[in-house]
Amino acid sequence: DVQLLESGGGLVQPGGSLRLSCAASEFTFSSYAMSWVRQAPGKGLEWVSTISGTGSPTYYADSVKGRFTISRDNSRSTLFLQMNSLRAEDTAIYYCARDAGAFTSPTDFWGQGTLVTVSS
Amino acid sequence: DIQMTQSPSSLSASLGDRVTITCRASQRMSTYLNWYQQKPGTAPKLLIYAASTLQNGVPSRFSGSGSGTDFTLTISSLDPEDFATYYCQQTYSSPRTFGQGTKVEIK
Repeated sequence: DVQLLESGGGLVQPGGSLRLSCAASEFTFSSYAMSWVRQAPGKGLEWVSTISGTGSPTYYADSVKGRFTISRDNSRSTLFLQMNSLRAEDTAIYYCARDAGAFTSPTDFWGQGTLVTVSS
Repeated sequence: DIQMTQSPSSLSASLGDRVTITCRASQRMSTYLNWYQQKPGTAPKLLIYAASTLQNGVPSRFSGSGSGTDFTLTISSLDPEDFATYYCQQTYSSPRTFGQGTKVEIK
């Protein structure tokens, strides 16, 4: 079965940085685009970013553009999200997710999420 | 950006009821529309993609339809497992956008 295991979440002060990781297994990681989707407490889903199987192109939500960077290491089957200049409104559960194909494809598998809390 | 508007935001229904959720896009987007189910404390699950294709393993009581700007998710006969929140999502263009969600509750 496809497995996605996020790590790196935690409490960080406003203006701080955090790097999320997602270890993937049981599928050919480099063949799939990957995404990050977040969910603020009690709120709906918000797409954050997507990266193609090769690492380029990448796509970002306007709310994180210029502050977050998505990347991947296909040799280690790992997805990353570098988050800088964090704000209170970035507080959310961050899900790592696999896309079934290119950018226009649906997201077919999701990790269990890692909680990021931005607070002083 | 394409805005996705779901309705209703919540509904109460009984076991065996037929339930319909709609999703309207602010611009035409062919059939690049997906539906997800999320239960409390768990990750979302893909139900339907490309507007009407059932994901592997999803019960046949779920169906989707629509193209262009108007889309529908239908549950033909509500099962106890179906009480959850449902989201539509467009993958036609960046930024991807979700609807605000529809919470299906027990009447």
